[in-house]
Amino acid sequence: AQSVAQPEDQVNVAEGNPLTVKCTYSVSGNPYLFWYVQYPNRGLQFLLKYITGDNLVKGSYGFEAEFNKSQTSFHLKKPSALVSDSALYFCAVRDIDNYGQNFVFGPGTRLSVLP
Amino acid sequence: ETGVTQTPRHLVMGMTNKKSLKCEQHLGHNAMYWYKQSAKKPLELMFVYSLEERVENNSVPSRFSPECPNSSHLFLHLHTLQPEDSALYLCASSQGGATGKLANTEAFFGQGTRLTVV
Repeated sequence: AQSVAQPEDQVNVAEGNPLTVKCTYSVSGNPYLFWYVQYPNRGLQFLLKYITGDNLVKGSYGFEAEFNKSQTSFHLKKPSALVSDSALYFCAVRDIDNYGQNFVFGPGTRLSVLP
Repeated sequence: ETGVTQTPRHLVMGMTNKKSLKCEQHLGHNAMYWYKQSAKKPLELMFVYSLEERVENNSVPSRFSPECPNSSHLFLHLHTLQPEDSALYLCASSQGGATGKLANTEAFFGQGTRLTVV
């Protein structure tokens, strides 16, 4: 069975500093990994994904994520945080064993960027 | 706008009421999902439909009844709910195939319906 862990419930960072939101996964085959962001009372918005190829994936709003197969990690990063980045972030893996239908989400990490 | 529209955005219902949540996608996807998001709980997958057939039902109580009349529409019929069912209900759609093809495509989410059961 696939699973996703986000070890930090909350991450605080000062505006202008680099940010990292951590994600580790467990999957039987090749992982398809995703990051989503959620603002209050909204649905999830897609940020980026890793399928294959370069381990460093670039996405929306200046975010990027680094895939590390040996550590089974897919950490989300941004070189310089903005106050507007404050939101709830979800890492997800797609369960390709179950006919490729299901997305398994982590519990979420709340990011607070302080001015 | 993500191409997935949910109505209503907010719903307050009594425990004896019957109501329905609606989801519509304009992306040409062939899989649709219902998720439940409660405070302090991870996203819970409730139902998955692929090509209009239900392929997943994660032990959801029978007071929740999904319906997928075609690949663009998904409903969640609610009856005799409990206060603990109060949550944000999210609909999503994606491409997905029976052989796992297109599993590398992302899901697109609607804005959600904030449900309060009183």
